[in-house]
Amino acid sequence: GAGVSQSPSNKVTEKGKDVELRCDPISGHTALYWYRQSLGQGLEFLIYFQGNSAPDKSGLPSDRFSAERTGGSVSTLTIQRTQQEDSAVYLCASSSRMGDSPLHFGNGTRLTVT
Amino acid sequence: AQSVTQPDIHITVSEGASLELRCNYSYGATPYLFWYVQSPGQGLQLLLKYFSGDTLVQGIKGFEAEFKRSQSSFNLRKPSVHWSDAAEYFCAVGPYNTDKLIFGTGTRLQVFP
Repeated sequence: GAGVSQSPSNKVTEKGKDVELRCDPISGHTALYWYRQSLGQGLEFLIYFQGNSAPDKSGLPSDRFSAERTGGSVSTLTIQRTQQEDSAVYLCASSSRMGDSPLHFGNGTRLTVT
Repeated sequence: AQSVTQPDIHITVSEGASLELRCNYSYGATPYLFWYVQSPGQGLQLLLKYFSGDTLVQGIKGFEAEFKRSQSSFNLRKPSVHWSDAAEYFCAVGPYNTDKLIFGTGTRLQVFP
């Protein structure tokens, strides 16, 4: 079946502009995660959605970052007033949270802020 | 503090040689441990995971890992590396009830023919 889909795959933006990154999780997966992968720094947890519960936003690095998940499916990560340090690969993952089901990752959006 | 350390940033091996990638963790509760692989231009794929039971776990692509509580380690091994194993490998630890995982910084594996 279809995996986690992220768009765009690449995004180049000017410093100060806002960007939106989209994630389509696997159908039926109730849990959705955003991670950020910076060069040499591994993956950094950003935000977690589980069903209708309030999202866990504890990983968002600043108030310029926000995310929403509409209808329990598609999620959008928004970065306002982008800075050069926001340049990274943003990864989305979903999980069914059934038993020991693993995370399924998308291929990511590579964001470059110039 | 909770953390995962992968001490080797880059490893190079010859095809057919054995491989061991190191992972050490610091975690307050019972750890749930994972290894993921990221091939160039692709998303992360789960290789194997440890939740409980047998401390030697088998994964996909011929990989295995051993959980050693006394050493806070979860090293990944493969007896004979193939050129297609060249990728970046991430160790992760986290609670079972969410997948809010803590990832290491990764080890990049290069395989020479």
